[in-house]
Amino acid sequence: NAGVTQTPKFQVLKTGQSMTLQCAQDMNHNSMYWYRQDPGMGLRLIYYSASEGTTDKGEVPNGYNVSRLNKREFSLRLESAAPSQTSVYFCASKRDTETQYFGPGTRLLVL
Amino acid sequence: QQPVQSPQAVILREGEDAVINCSSSKALYSVHWYRQKHGEAPVFLMILLKGGEQKGHEKISASFNEKKQQSSLYLTASQLSYSGTYFCGTVQGGSEKLVFGKGTKLTVNP
Repeated sequence: NAGVTQTPKFQVLKTGQSMTLQCAQDMNHNSMYWYRQDPGMGLRLIYYSASEGTTDKGEVPNGYNVSRLNKREFSLRLESAAPSQTSVYFCASKRDTETQYFGPGTRLLVL
Repeated sequence: QQPVQSPQAVILREGEDAVINCSSSKALYSVHWYRQKHGEAPVFLMILLKGGEQKGHEKISASFNEKKQQSSLYLTASQLSYSGTYFCGTVQGGSEKLVFGKGTKLTVNP
């Protein structure tokens, strides 16, 4: 099992460019999550998907969109990147009342 | 509702003990504890469920006070490998959202 995988690992964007962060899990988990991590702010929830076909906003959804493509994959899209979106992005998944498992993260720099 | 962690940072010498606290203003269903090393993803330590017992293994354990909506992580006889940032995550009843505190940076020196 690969667990939770994320691509790319690192990305540099210019302000206004768009990109999609990919996440996939092979643990047959129902729920998937996107967090961003900034120094001193902890992990903040952007969007989550409790099951295939559903998505809900988290604490900081502005400027992002998500797609739950199927049970395995959950993507995060930045339509028009801004410097404030420079961060480390983590995807996570879980099944029912169990805890979350995190992917390795994507480091995004927006110039 | 983001849980509040305290302290924000703690420095120990190897072998000393530490307690990290996590509190919420909302009724909680579960509390999750993670440790994160610099440049890595958070790693799961333990989960405490409402109505459950104190969890732990070896020298790291945790408790969950449902009346106060507080959880504490206990690290005894700390080792150098315990260094990192500890996060608590909380889940309210009926929710799928795991919301994290801002973290507690633990440094263990020789």
